[in-house]
Amino acid sequence: GAGVSQTPSNKVTEKGKYVELRCDPISGHTALYWYRQSLGQGPEFLIYFQGTGAADDSGLPNDRFFAVRPEGSVSTLKIQRTERGDSAVYLCASSPGTGSEQYFGPGTRLTVT
Amino acid sequence: QQQVKQSPQSLIVQKGGISIINCAYENTAFDYFPWYQQFPGKGPALLIAIRPDVSEKKEGRFTISFNKSAKQFSLHIMDSQPGDSATYFCAPRASGSARQLTFGSGTQLTVLP
Repeated sequence: GAGVSQTPSNKVTEKGKYVELRCDPISGHTALYWYRQSLGQGPEFLIYFQGTGAADDSGLPNDRFFAVRPEGSVSTLKIQRTERGDSAVYLCASSPGTGSEQYFGPGTRLTVT
Repeated sequence: QQQVKQSPQSLIVQKGGISIINCAYENTAFDYFPWYQQFPGKGPALLIAIRPDVSEKKEGRFTISFNKSAKQFSLHIMDSQPGDSATYFCAPRASGSARQLTFGSGTQLTVLP
């Protein structure tokens, strides 16, 4: 079956611009996670959704970052006033339920110039 | 505060050899101890995982050894193959509501033919 998909696969933007990154989870998965992976590092947790609500956003680095999941399926990570330090691979993972295995998408590589 | 320390940073092994990667953690609230494998351009994928009530788990060529008192666990890859060349992450999971993964910094494994 189809895995987690993320679009775009690559995004180049200028400093100060707004970007949106999309995640399509595996059908039926209720839990959804966003992680950020900087070059040469392990992924870092950003935010977790159970259904439509952001149940834990403790990993978001600052208020420029925001994520939504309005219908409990597709999620969008939104970054305002991008900075060069935001450059990273943004990974989405979905899970049948909290505590079950997390399945990762291929990520979106964001480059802020 | 670095919650998860992984070593070595890189590892080169001959085909047929044994690869050993170690992970030390500080957070006693972790309750699930997985290893993830990541190929370039792909998201991490679950390789093998262990719960803290057992000391060892083997799946094919992959074994996890877990030492709860020392707060350490390791991945052993027996009969290493060139196809095992990838980056490996330990990623213990928190017991809180989000159950997010806390990744180590990764080990780049190269298996020479």
